[in-house]
Amino acid sequence: EPEVTQTPSHQVTQMGQEVILRCVPISNHLYFYWYRQILGQKVEFLVSFYNNEISEKSEIFDDQFSVERPDGSNFTLKIRSTKLEDSAMYFCASSGDRQPYEQYFGPGTRLTVT
Amino acid sequence: QQPVQSPQAVILREGEDAVINCSSSKALYSVHWYRQKHGEAPVFLMILLKGGEQKGHDKISASFNEKKQQSSLYLTASQLSYSGTYFCGTEAGYDKIIFGKGTRLHILP
Repeated sequence: EPEVTQTPSHQVTQMGQEVILRCVPISNHLYFYWYRQILGQKVEFLVSFYNNEISEKSEIFDDQFSVERPDGSNFTLKIRSTKLEDSAMYFCASSGDRQPYEQYFGPGTRLTVT
Repeated sequence: QQPVQSPQAVILREGEDAVINCSSSKALYSVHWYRQKHGEAPVFLMILLKGGEQKGHDKISASFNEKKQQSSLYLTASQLSYSGTYFCGTEAGYDKIIFGKGTRLHILP
């Protein structure tokens, strides 16, 4: 069964450093998403991406964040200058080409900023 | 905009039933239900698109009351594998889902 994959599973970085989180969505999916979940809290929407551009973003997704689909398979989230409060689990999700957009989540990347 | 889930937590014995509610102060166009086990990613359960719609598989089902702006998830004859946190999500844009805070369900043997 096709699945969303994410790398790395755990990333430790120092405050102020840049990180890139990588995702490979399900191959025939057209919509891609990033969510984050601070430990023990709810899943928070960050951004959605379709047709090589951002379609929606939340207030959390400020200028420190960017997304890219550098090739036909990868979808990345970059945080330019990490802060302590960026420590969270980051989930990538993808969905197909028709509504309703059932979103399938990857296993997540745990980001720890020290 | 964030949907409100109730209860926050439920403890059941195996075989008992549970109902998890999700409500919104704004009009709901669809409701998404996900389950997340500890340390894992959320797993899609179902989407309800229109008022009066009911869906289910196995012993997990859901209803959507569009007028009341709420949805309920029903777990009947609960199994140990049902333990986890259940999130409802509502659409707040073209393809933006806002999740509630979740309902933690713990099933005891």
